[in-house]
Amino acid sequence: KNEVEQSPQNLTAQEGEFITINCSYSVGISALHWLQQHPGGGIVSLFMLSSGKKKHGRLIATINIQEKHSSLHITASHPRDSAVYICAVKGETSGSRLTFGEGTQLTVNP
Amino acid sequence: GAGVSQSPSNKVTEKGKDVELRCDPISGHTALYWYRQSLGQGLEFLIYFQGNSAPDKSGLPSDRFSAERTGGSVSTLTIQRTQQEDSAVYLCASSLGFLAGEETQYFGPGTRLLVL
Repeated sequence: KNEVEQSPQNLTAQEGEFITINCSYSVGISALHWLQQHPGGGIVSLFMLSSGKKKHGRLIATINIQEKHSSLHITASHPRDSAVYICAVKGETSGSRLTFGEGTQLTVNP
Repeated sequence: GAGVSQSPSNKVTEKGKDVELRCDPISGHTALYWYRQSLGQGLEFLIYFQGNSAPDKSGLPSDRFSAERTGGSVSTLTIQRTQQEDSAVYLCASSLGFLAGEETQYFGPGTRLLVL
């Protein structure tokens, strides 16, 4: 079992739909990152969370430390949101290294 | 300002040759990370530099892999005696670092390495 599990692996939505991507982890963490990898391969850091909730534009990230779970929500989805979304955790005892989920491939159709 | 840059963008080499990959982090960023993404696989941590501290090498897959960071800025990842399984995209990222209380990582475009 991977330390970081994402679901779903693939997600197809229609433009305008509300989207949720989930991330569960099995170790104690000091921080959780959400990353976006564009079709061309470029990676952008969306959020870094250690508790609670963060919002940026149409993106919202939440984390529940007790349940070892985080969600990434996209409101009013748009085709340009199509990308791979990656969850990564920084373990409490793993120093600075990040452990990554396999990613969720999101496709938003017009 | 300029982002993280990597060179070369693509590298094709023959099995057994050595390769060097370069990363120029964002100016002022004290933390620098190397990652690898093999085809169809997730990201994999390789090595982390934070200022003048000893690097965290715990992700390097074998002793054929090494990295250095000169002057706290540019970093070079070296793979000796390359193998076909080394084929991957090698990504570099930098951040202001935990000492600055800001660990958001900024990624470079990557170097696509193909070992024939």
